Amino acid sequence: GQQLNQSPQSMFIQEGEDVSMNCTSSSIFNTWLWYKQDPGEGPVLLIALYKAGELTSNGRLTAQFGITRKDSFLNISASIPSDVGIYFCAGPTGNQFYFGTGTSLTVIP
Amino acid sequence: EAQVTQNPRYLITVTGKKLTVTCSQNMNHEYMSWYRQDPGLGLRQIYYSMNVEVTDKGDVPEGYKVSRKEKRNFPLILESPSPNQTSLYFCASSVNGANYGYTFGSGTRLTVV
Repeated sequence: GQQLNQSPQSMFIQEGEDVSMNCTSSSIFNTWLWYKQDPGEGPVLLIALYKAGELTSNGRLTAQFGITRKDSFLNISASIPSDVGIYFCAGPTGNQFYFGTGTSLTVIP
Repeated sequence: EAQVTQNPRYLITVTGKKLTVTCSQNMNHEYMSWYRQDPGLGLRQIYYSMNVEVTDKGDVPEGYKVSRKEKRNFPLILESPSPNQTSLYFCASSVNGANYGYTFGSGTRLTVV
């Protein structure tokens, strides 16, 4: 199956700092999605990207669809404690849907 | 409230004892899918269904069965569970395909001893 690699694997940041994470694939994707998983819950969709180069925001979150279509980026500005969780990139290939390995974010008040 | 409901949330069972994890969605979604989540591996797709009576294997289907007799339900069946199937399982549904993302249930934590 597809391999989506996320980095960093984990992050520990101070409240108020900005966060950047990325996701890379060995093959091209036509759609990139970013999810957040709170502890003990299922992932929740944050942002969807459908076009190479697209930049989309959702509140303090901004995601970009890489020009090569093999990568995507997620930025969180002015982090707050409720940003804690695991962030996953995801994308479809045909009818299958693949997730990245995840970036675990810890925000220190 | 629009949601995907899985049951049970927690299950401990013994090797070889058949079990079923139920999944139901109330959004009239056509696509449904099962994932397992293991540390360091992210979420991996087990099976997916594009409509009633239409199912297909994902990346890790071995040891699992599914059925889609009704649009709203998509149970996951482990005929003979083994310890390597100890994992966190998620059911998810999508309105019209993976391009628009999936809505996930709250998960079922399965332990096979």
